[in-house]
Amino acid sequence: KQEVTQIPAALSVPEGENLVLNCSFTDSAIYNLQWFRQDPGKGLTSLLLIQSSQREQTSGRLNASLDKSSGRSTLYIAASQPGDSATYLCAVVYNQGGKLIFGQGTELSVKP
Amino acid sequence: GAVVSQHPSRVICKSGTSVKIECRSLDFQATTMFWYRQFPKKSLMLMATSNEGSKATYEQGVEKDKFLINHASLTLSTLTVTSAHPEDSSFYICSARTSYEQYFGPGTRLTVT
Repeated sequence: KQEVTQIPAALSVPEGENLVLNCSFTDSAIYNLQWFRQDPGKGLTSLLLIQSSQREQTSGRLNASLDKSSGRSTLYIAASQPGDSATYLCAVVYNQGGKLIFGQGTELSVKP
Repeated sequence: GAVVSQHPSRVICKSGTSVKIECRSLDFQATTMFWYRQFPKKSLMLMATSNEGSKATYEQGVEKDKFLINHASLTLSTLTVTSAHPEDSSFYICSARTSYEQYFGPGTRLTVT
């Protein structure tokens, strides 16, 4: 069964700290992996998309890595800010045009 | 960038009535749209895949007669919750796909009283 797991489920850090969110997937034959942000009561905002042939993607203070062989991805957030507080979801697609399979999300709280 | 809208953003209805939620891709055409349901503190659960001009494909355990999906054009898909009950109260999110990515709507909060 193709499953996506995110650890931890919740994380609280002081402002300014660098942090890492983890995502693992059971079947390594993915097509791509995507990280999303969801604010309470809102839809999803795409943060980074990594194709299966790529090892990482960067956008501002965010860096996402992909290790297909181990079935893992990490989202690194540098110099965290209170505005980064949200739920972060990772999702994988196993073939072009396939459906997104989501992890449970990590609820991040950055304290000022 | 690609924008997906949903209407309404919030709706409260009485038990037994039907509610329609619209999902529109504003600046691109989407041959495929998706409908998700999200419970509090939980991840998104895919309900169905909607293809323009054809019948939707429902995930296992989702009642197609309960959740009617129509994808009438390349920019519009609708989800109708028929004979709604309090257990249908949830956050419904749609998504539209381009060749490369899926873009998500802002969600619709449905409350059935």
